[in-house]
Amino acid sequence: GNSVTQMEGPVTLSEEAFLTINCTYTATGYPSLFWYVQYPGEGLQLLLKATKADDKGSNKGFEATYRKETTSFHLEKGSVQVSDSAVYFCALNPNDYKLSFGAGTTVTVRA
Amino acid sequence: DTGVSQDPRHKITKRGQNVTFRCDPISEHNRLYWYRQTLGQGPEFLTYFQNEAQLEKSRLLSDRFSAERPKGSFSTLEIQRTEQGDSAMYLCASSTEGGWAGDEQYFGPGTRLTVT
Repeated sequence: GNSVTQMEGPVTLSEEAFLTINCTYTATGYPSLFWYVQYPGEGLQLLLKATKADDKGSNKGFEATYRKETTSFHLEKGSVQVSDSAVYFCALNPNDYKLSFGAGTTVTVRA
Repeated sequence: DTGVSQDPRHKITKRGQNVTFRCDPISEHNRLYWYRQTLGQGPEFLTYFQNEAQLEKSRLLSDRFSAERPKGSFSTLEIQRTEQGDSAMYLCASSTEGGWAGDEQYFGPGTRLTVT
């Protein structure tokens, strides 16, 4: 079946630190890969996506590269801010309708 | 456009009672999805509609759960004879009919159900 495994949290960082959240997946075929973010008190929103191997998704200083050979889609940001404190979810879509999510990683950035 | 809305935002009910949640998708979106999220976990797919047709239901959707989208616009999710294990955040999402795995699903704020 389709599944996503992401790094367990919580992760606590200082401002301007480097952030990486590991995500690996299991899927048949060639899924699209996503990172969703949930800020405190808000709904899930798409952060970035990649739809084929070697694609790099980027948004708000975050990046993730679709690595088919390692079935990974790790999220990175070079210099985090307090406003990046949130829960981050890695997800995949193997077809055209059903997202499968990882368990989420809580990130707290301290000033 | 104000995005996907859900009502109510919070619901506390006693075990055995029925509850109904409503989702209003983004107006031009003809696909609507329901997910359930329990504490410390990611959302899990429950069901989805394309216009008024319910096209797939997860095995998580027991016989006590029913979802409708009668006119292809808003949707309701009803849980009959609630159990404590139904306590969760119920999320609604919508998207255009792209027929493509890369399409973005837009999520609502969720309805948090607590069964006492």
